[in-house]
Amino acid sequence: SQTIHQWPATLVQPVGSPLSLECTVEGTSNPNLYWYRQAAGRGLQLLFYSVGIGQISSEVPQNLSASRPQDRQFILSSKKLLLSDSGFYLCAWSVIRAGQGASSYNEQFFGPGTRLTVL
Amino acid sequence: GESVGLHLPTLSVQEGDNSIINCAYSNSASDYFIWYKQESGKGPQFIIDIRSNMDKRQGQRVTVLLNKTVKHLSLQIAATQPGDSAVYFCADGGSQGNLIFGKGTKLSVKP
Repeated sequence: SQTIHQWPATLVQPVGSPLSLECTVEGTSNPNLYWYRQAAGRGLQLLFYSVGIGQISSEVPQNLSASRPQDRQFILSSKKLLLSDSGFYLCAWSVIRAGQGASSYNEQFFGPGTRLTVL
Repeated sequence: GESVGLHLPTLSVQEGDNSIINCAYSNSASDYFIWYKQESGKGPQFIIDIRSNMDKRQGQRVTVLLNKTVKHLSLQIAATQPGDSAVYFCADGGSQGNLIFGKGTKLSVKP
C-alpha cells in the first residue's frame, strides 16, 4: 500500500531563516506530487506540483521554491522566511488516471502536514 | 476561471441526525469531484469521489449527489457521529488535472 511521509511535524523558525520541508512517498512509482499551504481556518492553496523528477510548476509567486531530486521525494524550501509563510503545509501525491476523451481523474492523497510558525 | 465555494462555513447537527454539506462549482467542463474530511491538525482524508457521468454515488454512511444543471454537489452523512466532526472540503478536478478546493465547512456534532 502507498504511504506518504512529511517531516518535521511542527517547526518554529525566526523571520529570515531558511526552510526545508521534506515529503516522501512509498509504494508507488512516478506519482504526481503537490505542495499546499493552508492558513488557519482556511482552504488549501496549491503552491507547487511536479509530474516528474526535476519538473516543477509554480502556482503562485512567492519566496518559496520546490525541488524533486528523486521520483518519490519532494522538497519545499525558502532562503529567507517571512511572517506570512506561517501555515500548515501539506504534501500530496496522485496518479492521474485517464478518463473518457481528454478527461482525467486526479485522486490526491495527503500527508500528515507540517505546522510552520514564523516568529 | 474556476472557483469552488461552499454555501455554509459551519454546520452543527445532533448526533444521530443526517448531515448535508453543499458545494457549488463554476466550471461546467469539470468532470470529477472529491470530498475530503480534515480533522484538526491532520491532512485531508479522501472520503468519496464522483464523476460527471453519475448523479449519485454511495459509500459507507456517505452519499454524494451531483447536479450538473446547477453545478452543485452535496455530501450527505447518515446518522452523524461525534467522530464525523471535522472540516469537509469539496474539490473540483477541473479540466487541467489539478484539484481546486473549496474553503471548507466545519461540521460540529452535538451529543
